[in-house]
Amino acid sequence: DTGVSQNPRHKITKRGQNVTFRCDPISEHNRLYWYRQTLGQGPEFLTYFQNEAQLEKSRLLSDRFSAERPKGSFSTLEIQRTEQGDSAMYLCASSLRQGREQYFGPGTRLTVT
Amino acid sequence: AQSVTQLDSHVSVSEGTPVLLRCNYSSSYSPSLFWYVQHPNKGLQLLLKYTSAATLVKGINGFEAEFKKSETSFHLTKPSAHMSDAAEYFCVVVGVISNFGNEKLTFGTGTRLTIIP
Repeated sequence: DTGVSQNPRHKITKRGQNVTFRCDPISEHNRLYWYRQTLGQGPEFLTYFQNEAQLEKSRLLSDRFSAERPKGSFSTLEIQRTEQGDSAMYLCASSLRQGREQYFGPGTRLTVT
Repeated sequence: AQSVTQLDSHVSVSEGTPVLLRCNYSSSYSPSLFWYVQHPNKGLQLLLKYTSAATLVKGINGFEAEFKKSETSFHLTKPSAHMSDAAEYFCVVVGVISNFGNEKLTFGTGTRLTIIP
């Protein structure tokens, strides 16, 4: 059992650059979630996939953010034209089906300078 | 809307003494409640969950929590703290599940637990 993995673990970028993060969920988990955690706060929901379909997005997900899960396996989260306010830990979680535990990855820490 | 309030941002206890981390919830519906733990540089891990079965829930590593509807509370306890318990703890609520089956988790702001040797 390899768990949920995320890459990269850390990313430092300059304001205005684009960044992309990857999440590999536990195999056979069809539900995938992205959350964002800022310093001193709990994680906040960003978006939800069931298989390859992105079914819900938070208002936190501005037009600069886009997420995909092309084959219902791994997912990517892209941020365009990064801003300093995007600095946060980006967490991915997956679950097998409704009512089952969400397993979290270690996160990608983004720092925008 | 569902929400949780963690009443203490930081709790310090001596090793071997009881732990109490407090959480109050707000929900229009019968909620599912969880406690997650986050160790530095590690992913969030589920400690325990309440889903309208027994009100006293036992979790991993000796933790337990009691759901009290009359007090809208879901406090986390452990009889005897261990050094390895030092971490950030989050109280979490899942309220209404959307038509798409989205069980988004709503987290509290966290309680940092420090264990004094």
